[in-house]
Amino acid sequence: DAEITQSPRHKITETGRQVTLACHQTWNHNNMFWYRQDLGHGLRLIHYSYGVHDTNKGEVSDGYSVSRSNTEDLPLTLESAASSQTSVYFCASSEGFVGSYNEQFFGPGTRLTVL
Amino acid sequence: TQLLEQSPQFLSIQEGENLTVYCNSSSVFSSLQWYRQEPGEGPVLLVTVVTGGEVKKLKRLTFQFGDARKDSSLHITAAQPGDTGLYLCAAYNTDKLIFGTGTRLQVFP
Repeated sequence: DAEITQSPRHKITETGRQVTLACHQTWNHNNMFWYRQDLGHGLRLIHYSYGVHDTNKGEVSDGYSVSRSNTEDLPLTLESAASSQTSVYFCASSEGFVGSYNEQFFGPGTRLTVL
Repeated sequence: TQLLEQSPQFLSIQEGENLTVYCNSSSVFSSLQWYRQEPGEGPVLLVTVVTGGEVKKLKRLTFQFGDARKDSSLHITAAQPGDTGLYLCAAYNTDKLIFGTGTRLQVFP
């Protein structure tokens, strides 16, 4: 069965360190997304990609970067981790032309703690 | 950024009770989605409503899209402990999906 996986599931790091969160999907979807989920804010879009070599900034992109070298993977990098980036991170994917009806399929999330 | 407001934020009820969750915005949307998220997992799509006034049923869950396509509601009949989770409404703002703040539901046996 097709799926979307994230690794690691839990990560503790220190302020200033570079951290990369992995996202891998076997749906063969063109569209991939990274969100963070915090109490009181719901899910907020960090970065997204509509295909290989395409990346775009979302609502809360400062301090994060992504690259898309193949269809299956969209790793999220925190350049220099800050305590404000402690959160639960979700990767998602969807097929087809992005618009009104597309269902997004979510991974299980990565809980990141920055000390 | 357009905002989707959900109410209530938290809801604790006994098994067998009915409940309604609301999703409101000042903006008009061409469609609206409802997702459910269980602890330790990502959100999963329950339904998409696309027509003003549309009502969709999924077993004991009834979803309604407002006539003006600015609001939506989710009604659960005879709630069960398996309904426990975070309920999120979401809508596309041009090409980006924006999420409501969520309603956390706890159903006690």
